Amino acid sequence: NAGVTQTPKFQVLKTGQSMTLQCAQDMNHNSMYWYRQDPGMGLRLIYYSASEGTTDKGEVPNGYNVSRLNKREFSLRLESAAPSQTSVYFCASSVLSPEGEAFFGQGTRLTVV
Amino acid sequence: AQSVAQPEDQVNVAEGNPLTVKCTYSVSGNPYLFWYVQYPNRGLQFLLKYITGDNLVKGSYGFEAEFNKSQTSFHLKKPSALVSDSALYFCAVRDAPGTYKYIFGTGTRLKVLA
Repeated sequence: NAGVTQTPKFQVLKTGQSMTLQCAQDMNHNSMYWYRQDPGMGLRLIYYSASEGTTDKGEVPNGYNVSRLNKREFSLRLESAAPSQTSVYFCASSVLSPEGEAFFGQGTRLTVV
Repeated sequence: AQSVAQPEDQVNVAEGNPLTVKCTYSVSGNPYLFWYVQYPNRGLQFLLKYITGDNLVKGSYGFEAEFNKSQTSFHLKKPSALVSDSALYFCAVRDAPGTYKYIFGTGTRLKVLA
């Protein structure tokens, strides 16, 4: 049972390069999320998709775009990477009901030089 | 807006002693509260949640949490700490109905000393 799968696990980018972080879940969840984790800042929401066909900005959306490709997949794109985007990125999924807990992927460690 | 606060960046406790990791919340309606644990280089793992009912919630690995509505707190507890409990702990609240975002605290690093 895979749960939430993120690729890649590690990435080094040069400033200005672009990349897409991939996320897929196999739990038939409606809602999916992208967070970034920085020391002392906890987890900050970048974008989320409450259900297939919808996406919304979170707390720190600038410099990112997302695509909810289908119910299983939710990708995060950095169009022009900046050193401030060096972080650990986590994808998560959950049922739409407020009682449901989120399930997290293992993270992508991104370094922008 | 909904929010959670974890007032302690780090908590140190001796192995075998009880541990408490603090969390306070601010919500406009009914609170849906969660605790997660993160081990080094891993994703977050769900520990337990409060939805409604009993104020003492039991979860994984012997952890429990006490919901206190008057103090708007949801502290994580364990009667006897293990060295293997050393990790980063996050409290979270689920946002208003219709959006269901998770709002996380800044995390508390628990260090259990042998």
